[in-house]
Amino acid sequence: DAGVIQSPRHEVTEMGQEVTLRCKPISGHNSLFWYRQTMMRGLELLIYFNNNVPIDDSGMPEDRFSAKMPNASFSTLKIQPSEPRDSAVYFCASSLSRGSGDTQYFGPGTRLTVL
Amino acid sequence: AQRVTQPEKLLSVFKGAPVELKCNYSYSGSPELFWYVQYSRQRLQLLLRHISRESIKGFTADLNKGETSFHLKKPFAQEEDSAMYYCASWEAQKLVFGQGTRLTINP
Repeated sequence: DAGVIQSPRHEVTEMGQEVTLRCKPISGHNSLFWYRQTMMRGLELLIYFNNNVPIDDSGMPEDRFSAKMPNASFSTLKIQPSEPRDSAVYFCASSLSRGSGDTQYFGPGTRLTVL
Repeated sequence: AQRVTQPEKLLSVFKGAPVELKCNYSYSGSPELFWYVQYSRQRLQLLLRHISRESIKGFTADLNKGETSFHLKKPFAQEEDSAMYYCASWEAQKLVFGQGTRLTINP
């Protein structure tokens, strides 16, 4: 298994543009998490899904951010319009379930730079 | 809300010296705590969890409810321990991470 797959690995865009980040969780995992990592704030949970249903999106910073999980093997995180302060590394993670005993497996991350 | 605090953003020690990465949490109940590690050019991965009471790569972490701490320790640091370390707690069905500590082991 290749683990959690994220694309693109790097994204450079201009302020105001739409950005779409993609994630493929580990096959058989029922929970998927989106995190953002910055120097100032560390690692923050943005949203998580269980069985493709969004359970908690309280970490989504504002309406410019949206996430979908149309099926068990794919999720997207969209920023529209993007702003320079959105520059960060975005991680996707998956786990067997949403229980505390289930290890979260992280993808390699997408480094986003908004100019 | 649960908070996880890692007071040191950077920590540098010499090879062979003891290492302690600090983590404090704020939770009145029985917390479930974890340490995650990210080595250079590798993915963030689980290092250990307190419920397992295990030692991984020579690291241990003991939950101290009196001090609300879950410090990560290793008696003799190795160069390959250089990495970013995150303490995390399980709350409301999600992981809450500290800000992380970058550990550098000097030869």
